[in-house]
Amino acid sequence: EAQVTQNPRYLITVTGKKLTVTCSQNMNHEYMSWYRQDPGLGLRQIYYSMNVEVTDKGDVPEGYKVSRKEKRNFPLILESPSPNQTSLYFCASSRDNQNYGYTFGSGTRLTVV
Amino acid sequence: DAKTTQPPSMDCAEGRAANLPCNHSTISGNEYVYWYRQIHSQGPQYIIHGLKNNETNEMASLIITEDRKSSTLILPHATLRDTAVYYCIVSSSARQLTFGSGTQLTVLP
Repeated sequence: EAQVTQNPRYLITVTGKKLTVTCSQNMNHEYMSWYRQDPGLGLRQIYYSMNVEVTDKGDVPEGYKVSRKEKRNFPLILESPSPNQTSLYFCASSRDNQNYGYTFGSGTRLTVV
Repeated sequence: DAKTTQPPSMDCAEGRAANLPCNHSTISGNEYVYWYRQIHSQGPQYIIHGLKNNETNEMASLIITEDRKSSTLILPHATLRDTAVYYCIVSSSARQLTFGSGTQLTVLP
């Protein structure tokens, strides 16, 4: 089944403890992206990647890192999480073509205490 | 990217057509209209997109006015599973999308 897989689905962590949210897609998509969703603020793009080793900042990149060493994987790294990064995170992938929409993962609900 | 305006909520009877409006009066010539939906807190789901012609796929139809300042997403026979938040997004890039607050569609039995 074609899908975007995120792990973990739920995570509670403490301030300052580094964490990684993994994202993997099995559709050979060139384009991958991370969004966060917060009440009243909608979905906001954090980082995106147009292909292997090509990444760029979205609208809210502060406090996050990403890497794209392989086409299928696009992990989101929080080096020193803070409570304002408590959010619902979505990974998405797409073909590099205007005629295709994103396929989103199921989400990761992160709580930083 | 152009801003969009959608009603915050709408109801629709099961089996009837759901018509979701979107205003985008500042849309520019190279910007597409994209529609996504999000069921509860699941990942958003792509529905359809268009530039200036009307479009139809297995999920929905998209009607764009001739001046491109507004559009309507039509779900021809709404079911309870279509209850979701529907996002209308205008962008020149399918990859960099700004999701607003959308329309909460509730399909009533």
